[in-house]
Amino acid sequence: TQLLEQSPQFLSIQEGENLTVYCNSSSVFSSLQWYRQEPGEGPVLLVTVVTGGEVKKLKRLTFQFGDARKDSSLHITAAQPGDTGLYLCAGGPSGGSNYKLTFGKGTLLTVNP
Amino acid sequence: EAGVVQSPRYKIIEKKQPVAFWCNPISGHNTLYWYRQNLGQGPELLIRYENEEAVDDSQLPKDRFSAERLKGVDSTLKIQPAELGDSAVYLCASTARTLNTEAFFGQGTRLTVV
Repeated sequence: TQLLEQSPQFLSIQEGENLTVYCNSSSVFSSLQWYRQEPGEGPVLLVTVVTGGEVKKLKRLTFQFGDARKDSSLHITAAQPGDTGLYLCAGGPSGGSNYKLTFGKGTLLTVNP
Repeated sequence: EAGVVQSPRYKIIEKKQPVAFWCNPISGHNTLYWYRQNLGQGPELLIRYENEEAVDDSQLPKDRFSAERLKGVDSTLKIQPAELGDSAVYLCASTARTLNTEAFFGQGTRLTVV
């Protein structure tokens, strides 16, 4: 069974601060996806990283896939209240199809104005 | 293009009663997932379908949960009888059969068992 551990579980910060959340596993993944989920909605994909060491940027969000494809991080610069939500990472198994997604438990981020 | 559609959005039932959830995935998506999500937690996979075949139902509590996807399109998830601990959001997601593809989620059904 492939497990993804996310940390921290909860994070409450002030507007303008920077933060990093982590997604770690002992297993290798073919890809990692990051989703954001707002209350009452389903998760929405932010980014997919597929190559070890890959870095992707989405405005103030920077995503990195570990060299060994076992971990990933999400860094937010100058957080805004609109960034509030549950951030989920999800991995597709290595060596096979990406049909099966394994989700971490998420990081619940609150950005206070 | 319509997204993943789930119904109902909310359901309140008494314990021991049956309940059913419905999901219509994005057209052409072969893979369909049912997840259960507790408040503030990540989704936990209940069952995964490839077309009409359930290829991963190891996490489905089969004594009370059942699911079907008869024609490989829409799907239903049923609980009978419901227990208090079943209160959660039930999410449906679908993906196309390509590598590294995005999972599209419905808005979920929030179930409250009283």
